[in-house]
Amino acid sequence: AQSVTQPDIHITVSEGASLELRCNYSYGATPYLFWYVQSPGQGLQLLLKYFSGDTLVQGIKGFEAEFKRSQSSFNLRKPSVHWSDAAEYFCAVPDNYGQNFVFGPGTRLSVLP
Amino acid sequence: EAGVTQFPSHSVIEKGQTVTLRCDPISGHDNLYWYRRVMGKEIKFLLHFVKESKQDESGMPNNRFLAERTGGTYSTLKVQPAELEDSGVYFCASSLDRDRARESQYFGPGTRLTVL
Repeated sequence: AQSVTQPDIHITVSEGASLELRCNYSYGATPYLFWYVQSPGQGLQLLLKYFSGDTLVQGIKGFEAEFKRSQSSFNLRKPSVHWSDAAEYFCAVPDNYGQNFVFGPGTRLSVLP
Repeated sequence: EAGVTQFPSHSVIEKGQTVTLRCDPISGHDNLYWYRRVMGKEIKFLLHFVKESKQDESGMPNNRFLAERTGGTYSTLKVQPAELEDSGVYFCASSLDRDRARESQYFGPGTRLTVL
């Protein structure tokens, strides 16, 4: 079965600093990979997704993620964090049948002024 | 275009009571999913509707949970009777095309359920 790990439960960065959130997956073939964000009081919003092709994908709000097959990773990055980025971030892959998502446990991001 | 909406946003009930959560998907979306996140753990899949039919309910934890989608529009998730371990956030998502489900699931804001 597919699984997703996010090693960091909580990360704190200063505003303007760079950010990298880690995601590792277990999947038999080339996976479809997603990052979602949940801001306080909001639903899950899709940040970006990888299906195939260029392993560096760009998303909304200045985020990007890089798929590394050799490391089974899909880390999320942002060069300069804004206070509004404080939220919880989830990495996800489709299940065996490609219909439902398997989510990681989430990483909570705090941003210091 | 309105997004996925869920009602209520927060529900506090006592153990043994019944609660019904509602989800209104994006208009025209045939696929509707329920997920939940319990006690800060992973978001887990509960079930998937295609129109009014249950496509996959493998994630439903037990028979205290009943989901319906009459008419293939909005869906309800009833918990009866509620137990303490049912506390968590219940998310609903919808997508347009089953074959493209992995590309286009849109999530609602969730209903936070607290069972005392």
